[in-house]
Amino acid sequence: EPEVTQTPSHQVTQMGQEVILRCVPISNHLYFYWYRQILGQKVEFLVSFYNNEISEKSEIFDDQFSVERPDGSNFTLKIRSTKLEDSAMYFCASSEYGTGGVEQYFGPGTRLTVT
Amino acid sequence: RKEVEQDPGPFNVPEGATVAFNCTYSNSASQSFFWYRQDCRKEPKLLMSVYSSGNEDGRFTAQLNRASQYISLLIRDSKLSDSATYLCVVNPYSGGYNKLIFGAGTRLAVHP
Repeated sequence: EPEVTQTPSHQVTQMGQEVILRCVPISNHLYFYWYRQILGQKVEFLVSFYNNEISEKSEIFDDQFSVERPDGSNFTLKIRSTKLEDSAMYFCASSEYGTGGVEQYFGPGTRLTVT
Repeated sequence: RKEVEQDPGPFNVPEGATVAFNCTYSNSASQSFFWYRQDCRKEPKLLMSVYSSGNEDGRFTAQLNRASQYISLLIRDSKLSDSATYLCVVNPYSGGYNKLIFGAGTRLAVHP
């Protein structure tokens, strides 16, 4: 069964450093998303991406964040200058279509620890 | 009012029990609804979509009441493997956008 993959599984970084989280969405999916989950809290939407453009972003997704599809398979989330409060689990998701009723499938996540 | 609200639990039930989870959502224009399950420190996994007419998948039954903005999930004959956090998820858009709003989840612990 096709699945979303993410690397690395755990990233430790120092405050102020840049990190890039990588995702390989399901191959025939065209819509991609990033979510985050701070420990003990709910999953929160960050950004959606289609056709090499951001479709929507949340207020969490400020200028420190960016997304890119550098090639035909990878989808990345970059945090330019990490803060302690960026420590969270980051989940990538993908869906075949962008309409509301279509299910999103999640990757296993990258645990980001900022020290 | 929270966008998606759930009873946090935990629900502690014996194997074989029937358990029901409830969820309310604030945006009356919301169009799509889902239940996901999340095991500890793992990704959310789609359990089932929720349709207006209600739908069933094996031991799981989901119901939607648009007038009350209320979603439910019923699990019959609980198994130990059902122990997880159940996430009520809403997509507020009808088309062109696909963004999920998660509830905080209801924790279920099934014991022998």
